[in-house]
Amino acid sequence: DAMVIQNPRYQVTQFGKPVTLSCSQTLNHNVMYWYQQKSSQAPKLLFHYYDKDFNNEADTPDNFQSRRPNTSFCFLDIRSPGLGDAAMYLCATSRGATSLDEQFFGPGTRLTVL
Amino acid sequence: KQEVTQIPAALSVPEGENLVLNCSFTDSAIYNLQWFRQDPGKGLTSLLLIQSSQREQTSGRLNASLDKSSGRSTLYIAASQPGDSATYLCAVDDNMDTGRRALTFGSGTRLQVQP
Repeated sequence: DAMVIQNPRYQVTQFGKPVTLSCSQTLNHNVMYWYQQKSSQAPKLLFHYYDKDFNNEADTPDNFQSRRPNTSFCFLDIRSPGLGDAAMYLCATSRGATSLDEQFFGPGTRLTVL
Repeated sequence: KQEVTQIPAALSVPEGENLVLNCSFTDSAIYNLQWFRQDPGKGLTSLLLIQSSQREQTSGRLNASLDKSSGRSTLYIAASQPGDSATYLCAVDDNMDTGRRALTFGSGTRLQVQP
């Protein structure tokens, strides 16, 4: 089945130790997104790629970076995780950027920072 | 800046009841509105997407309505079942720039259906 896959599902890192979260998709969608969702809060968009074009939200901290080496994969890099970065990180895709295009989400990666 | 509010934050009902979840948004200039389901510790599953030009969408026991002018949407769940227990999130797509998409989410309504 076509889907959005996130690895790992659970990630534990130490304060200040760089960490990379992975997302892949078999939907061949043009757009990939990264959201941060803290406990009992709404998901918050960090950035997205439309093909190779990177779009950063204005309030996304510099500590968060992203790479999209090809259509299928997108990575979230946290350069120096702080305790406040502990959250669920959700990857999503959409075929395009029109109002007809639903976003499809992966299962998420829960990040713990010790 | 768009703000999305969902009321109530939590809801507990007995099995079989029909129920309504509410979503309101402050800026009516939206492209579409999506309702999602999130099970504990899991990702989001898209339930329904309503275009800004539409009034409602239906999928099985779910019916979502949209009143864009008043900034409101409702999700109606008929004959609720224990398997419907989850958090339901609404999100509005309000960015008008081609190639730049942004969903603004509400904090969700946590639904518990008692057997």
